[in-house]
Order: sequence, then structure tokens, then C-alpha cells
Amino acid sequence: AQTVTQSQPEMSVQEAETVTLSCTYDTSENNYYLFWYKQPPSRQMILVIRQEAYKQQNATENRFSVNFQKAAKSFSLKISDSQLGDTAMYFCAFMIYNQGGKLIFGQGTELSVKP
Amino acid sequence: DVKVTQSSRYLVKRTGEKVFLECVQDMDHENMFWYRQDPGLGLRLIYFSYDVKMKEKGDIPEGYSVSREKKERFSLILESASTNQTSMYLCASSLLGRPGETQYFGPGTRLLVL
Repeated sequence: AQTVTQSQPEMSVQEAETVTLSCTYDTSENNYYLFWYKQPPSRQMILVIRQEAYKQQNATENRFSVNFQKAAKSFSLKISDSQLGDTAMYFCAFMIYNQGGKLIFGQGTELSVKP
Repeated sequence: DVKVTQSSRYLVKRTGEKVFLECVQDMDHENMFWYRQDPGLGLRLIYFSYDVKMKEKGDIPEGYSVSREKKERFSLILESASTNQTSMYLCASSLLGRPGETQYFGPGTRLLVL
């Protein structure tokens, strides 16, 4: 069975600082995708960043980047220059290639950005 | 932009009632999903559908059923609501065919069963 683990239930960071959210996963599959989704307070969940497992290069999206370590099954999210609008619940998720697009989610990390 | 809407933001029901949660998407997506979100557990997949009248069980289908009569609409049904079904329910949709497609989420329905 595939599992995703986020070991940090809550984190906080000062505005303009950098923060890293951890995620590990377990699978015997070789072809899969990894995602970070963001759920702001009382707002809809949106995709932050996606990584394809066969790509060695780490994905980046503006201030968001990942550190993908396939052998260690680790997929952390780094947020640079944190902004107040980054305050949200962040979910790490995993999708196996050709399994109907199902996502398996971690428990979530609640990030607070403080002024 | 993709829009996924859910019929209610908040719902209060009594134990034993039949509950319908509706989800509509406007981007002609083939895949639709129902998740429940609980603190400390993240999101867990209840059911999903990749076509009209097709459905597949997710990880926690017990106590739920679904209906997909039209491509844009996916309903979650609690046949006899119980207090342990108090939760946040999220609907999502995505395109079929291209691996790794983004799922687009609705705003969620927070259900309280008394």
C-alpha cells in the first residue's frame, strides 16, 4: 500500500524568511507523480507544484521549489521569501501512473506566516 | 478557469437521515472524486468516477454511495447518516488521459451529523 507522511503538523515562519515542509512516501511503484497542494483558510485547495518521478531535476514555481530525493522517497517543499498569503494548510500527495488519477494525501502541515 | 462547485458550504443533519452532497464542474472533465478531510488524517478518497454511470471505490467507501448521471455532476450519498460521518467533504475533478493531471477542488461541504 502507498502511504504519504507529513511529520510536521504545524509550522510557523516570519515574513520574508524561508521555510521547508517535509514529506516522505512509501511505494514499490516506479512511475508516479508527487504534488504539493495548498488550502488557505476557508478557501479552495489549489495546486502549488508538481514533480514527475522520472525527472531528476527539482520542480520550481516562483518562490516554491521542491527537493525530490527518489531513493530516500522524500519530497520536501521550500517556500522562499514567505508572504502572509502563504498561510495555509499544505498537503503532500502522490499519484501512481495510470491508476485513474487517484491522489493519496499526507496528513497536512499547517503553516502560519507571522508579520 | 476551472470551476468546481458544491451545493452547500455547511450542512446539519440528524442521525439516520439520507444526505445528498452535490458537485458540479464546468470544464468537461472526465474524472471526478469525493474525499473526506479530517484533522490529522488529511484527505481520504471515498469514491471516484471516470465516466458517466461509472464509479470506483476509494479507500473508505463504507456508508457512502455515489451517482453520476451527467458528466458534469457527481453526487455523494450518505444512505443513513451517522455521527462518525461528521466531516469536511471535498469534491475534485480532472482530465482523463494525461498522467499526472491536476485535480481541481471545490470549496468543500462541512457536514455535522447530530
